[in-house]
Amino acid sequence: ILNVEQSPQSLHVQEGDSTNFTCSFPSSNFYALHWYRWETAKSPEALFVMTLNGDEKKKGRISATLNTKEGYSYLYIKGSQPEDSATYLCAFPYNFNKFYFGSGTKLNVKP
Amino acid sequence: SAVISQKPSRDICQRGTSLTIQCQVDSQVTMMFWYRQQPGQSLTLIATANQGSEATYESGFVIDKFPISRPNLTFSTLTVSNMSPEDSSIYLCSVGTYTEAFFGQGTRLTVV
Repeated sequence: ILNVEQSPQSLHVQEGDSTNFTCSFPSSNFYALHWYRWETAKSPEALFVMTLNGDEKKKGRISATLNTKEGYSYLYIKGSQPEDSATYLCAFPYNFNKFYFGSGTKLNVKP
Repeated sequence: SAVISQKPSRDICQRGTSLTIQCQVDSQVTMMFWYRQQPGQSLTLIATANQGSEATYESGFVIDKFPISRPNLTFSTLTVSNMSPEDSSIYLCSVGTYTEAFFGQGTRLTVV
């Protein structure tokens, strides 16, 4: 069993605040690191697939960075909006197509 | 890409009964994966459903408790058998590889 850890577990911010979460993962046997956004009763939505050390990816107000040597990835949300409220998951693939997931960071953005 | 339809979306069941969860994919896939998220825990892989052969279960999960069917390349079911309150979880099916994965909407199960 591999350890994939996310912090914090939950986060409450005001609309307009910027925030960031952390995902730590094993630095050996690295294929990729996935970030998902998961709202209740919906399918997890893919945000980023990070594959290269030093990767930085951006999608609107959301961006992510990757450090495979030290085994961590950051997800940033700039100017949080209430519609950003969701659980953010990171996932570490192993054996080609199976995943270890972090426990998620639950974000609540208050108007 | 792949679109997965999973049902039911939620259910409340009596202990001792069984519930079957279905996943339908809009394209043919070799493997389908079933995950469980218990309250406060991470999503954990239960088993891999292979078409034409028995499912492969991860450590801690057994076929008698979580029988899986895979009758064709677009459909799979997971049954949670002889349920107890500890089976209250979100169950999620998935397809894909390490570069791209897709998920159903999840089944939120409460056992009373």
